[in-house]
Amino acid sequence: QQQVKQSPQSLIVQKGGISIINCAYENTAFDYFPWYQQFPGKGPALLIAIRPDVSEKKEGRFTISFNKSAKQFSLHIMDSQPGDSATYFCAASNLYSGGGADGLTFGKGTHLIIQP
Amino acid sequence: KAGVTQTPRYLIKTRGQQVTLSCSPISGHRSVSWYQQTPGQGLQFLFEYFSETQRNKGNFPGRFSGRQFSNSRSEMNVSTLELGDSALYLCASSSSIRTYEQYFGPGTRLTVT
Repeated sequence: QQQVKQSPQSLIVQKGGISIINCAYENTAFDYFPWYQQFPGKGPALLIAIRPDVSEKKEGRFTISFNKSAKQFSLHIMDSQPGDSATYFCAASNLYSGGGADGLTFGKGTHLIIQP
Repeated sequence: KAGVTQTPRYLIKTRGQQVTLSCSPISGHRSVSWYQQTPGQGLQFLFEYFSETQRNKGNFPGRFSGRQFSNSRSEMNVSTLELGDSALYLCASSSSIRTYEQYFGPGTRLTVT
């Protein structure tokens, strides 16, 4: 059972354009939604994350939009640059009130290519 | 601060053997999680250790085990290796306060022949 569905699998965007990656989740207990960026030969790097109490979070050129009722969230990369070319993963987790959290459930990843 | 370090970076083993992978978390981080990354299944959670205790476990067979030491360093062991265990094994650490913010190491590439 794939609990986090990510699309598209691959994406090509022109330099300066907006890259949009979408994720949908099934488990309503999820309450933490991070995005990770992974370059070849490297481990995933935490990019930005959101909790369900807000509908949008922006950090620099990266924005997460969150729709709780639709159980969907997306990553927008503004002014996309060739250096943004990487694989992006959405993830979700359930946080415990006493501290701690479930392991991250990841989407399958999006291979993003920014053409110069 | 130094990041998460994993050793070895590459490993080749034969089917039926066992393997131990090591992870040193970011200084001050007490939680260590392990993930398996394969082209087919993607990133999957194996288990999490906090203060030397396994706090969470994913859906993997008992051949996969781990432990954590008093200095928060962690090891992962896979016994009776199968060809399907070939993968990138990633370790992630997080602080006690923000356990959900996981910071990944570069991984250990395991090839089983």
